[in-house]
Amino acid sequence: GNSVTQMEGPVTLSEEAFLTINCTYTATGYPSLFWYVQYPGEGLQLLLKATKADDKGSNKGFEATYRKETTSFHLEKGSVQVSDSAVYFCALWMDSSYKLIFGSGTRLLVRP
Amino acid sequence: EAGVTQFPSHSVIEKGQTVTLRCDPISGHDNLYWYRRVMGKEIKFLLHFVKESKQDESGMPNNRFLAERTGGTYSTLKVQPAELEDSGVYFCASSPFRTGATGELFFGEGSRLTVL
Repeated sequence: GNSVTQMEGPVTLSEEAFLTINCTYTATGYPSLFWYVQYPGEGLQLLLKATKADDKGSNKGFEATYRKETTSFHLEKGSVQVSDSAVYFCALWMDSSYKLIFGSGTRLLVRP
Repeated sequence: EAGVTQFPSHSVIEKGQTVTLRCDPISGHDNLYWYRRVMGKEIKFLLHFVKESKQDESGMPNNRFLAERTGGTYSTLKVQPAELEDSGVYFCASSPFRTGATGELFFGEGSRLTVL
């Protein structure tokens, strides 16, 4: 079946450090890939997306590239801020099933 | 424009009791989803409404869970009787029908359920 695996957290970084959160997927077909973020006390919100192989999604300094050959969609940011502290969820969408499938989430804590 | 609204934000009940969670989607959104996150694990799909019809309820854990969407507007998720393993955060999400950017769902803040 379709599934998403992401690195376990928590990930603790100092401000301005480089961030990578790994995400790999298993899917029959060609999914769209997403990163959602949940800030403290808020609901999930879409961070970025990519709908086909080699697409790069970007938003708020975050980037992720859809790699079909490695079935990955790793999230990166060159310089994290304290305000980036949140839980990040990788997800895939199949048009055939019309629902999002999420990974387990990775908590990021950025220290000043 | 109001976002997806869920209540209660937190409910604490005893095993065997009943709880009803409510979700008000964004106005005009035909798609409504329920998801659940248990014990910090992955967010799992429960079911999907299109307007008032259940499109997919393959994720509902068992018959203790009942979801309804009256008139295609708000939705309720009832757990009766609640068990300890039902504890978790229940998320509701909505999206327009046949949105051009599939997979872009709008989520509520979640309803945290604690069963003692």
